Amino acid sequence: QVQLVESGGGVVQPGGSLRVSCAASGFSFRSYGAHWVRQAPGKGLEWVSFIRYDGSEKYYSDSVKGRFAISRDNSKNILYLQMNSLRVEDTAVYYCVKDRSFGTPRAFDIWGQGTMVTVS
Amino acid sequence: QSALTQPASVSGSPGQSITISCTGTSNDVGGYNYISWYQQHPDKVPKLIIYDISDRPSGISNRFSGSKSGNTASLTISGLQAEDEAEYYCYSYTGSRTGVFGTGTKVTVL
Repeated sequence: QVQLVESGGGVVQPGGSLRVSCAASGFSFRSYGAHWVRQAPGKGLEWVSFIRYDGSEKYYSDSVKGRFAISRDNSKNILYLQMNSLRVEDTAVYYCVKDRSFGTPRAFDIWGQGTMVTVS
Repeated sequence: QSALTQPASVSGSPGQSITISCTGTSNDVGGYNYISWYQQHPDKVPKLIIYDISDRPSGISNRFSGSKSGNTASLTISGLQAEDEAEYYCYSYTGSRTGVFGTGTKVTVL
């Protein structure tokens, strides 16, 4: 069964740090690009970050560039998002998402259930 | 990285067809074919329904179709059904090596 399971969300004070993780199973995780997408309460979807299948390239939205870092461990099938200098406006559900391709932010075909991050 | 522009709401009666627009710029929608659409029911995870402008993933009804003209992409839902009532988001790859979602459209089945 193809699955993405996020963990690590919680409540953190402004200026603090948090790392969320995503465990992949049921498919060849190392063969696909992966994203983090967030959704603030009652708001729309916001693309946050993308990492190529091999971790060789990483892209970020302007709103998180310089504060967040995406990484992956293909030996463990895990995707990470390290979030530093957190702001109140970073409060959202963070989704781990598999891309259809290996190297370009193309389309999101498998979504995790999300993990809630509250900055307060 | 401004969000792509979608109408806030669209409605239609069962059996009718509706179209949702998604307007960007030549740096995103107009410049790339990596346009996709997502359906999100309340308190549910988004679901991919169209990718690469007009392709449907396996298992997605052919009542959903996509197109693009210039800087505007469109999603058409034909034969509208009660289960289609949801929020819909477009997405585009951009020239800045980033992605951007649309503002979202709430579809109401009358």
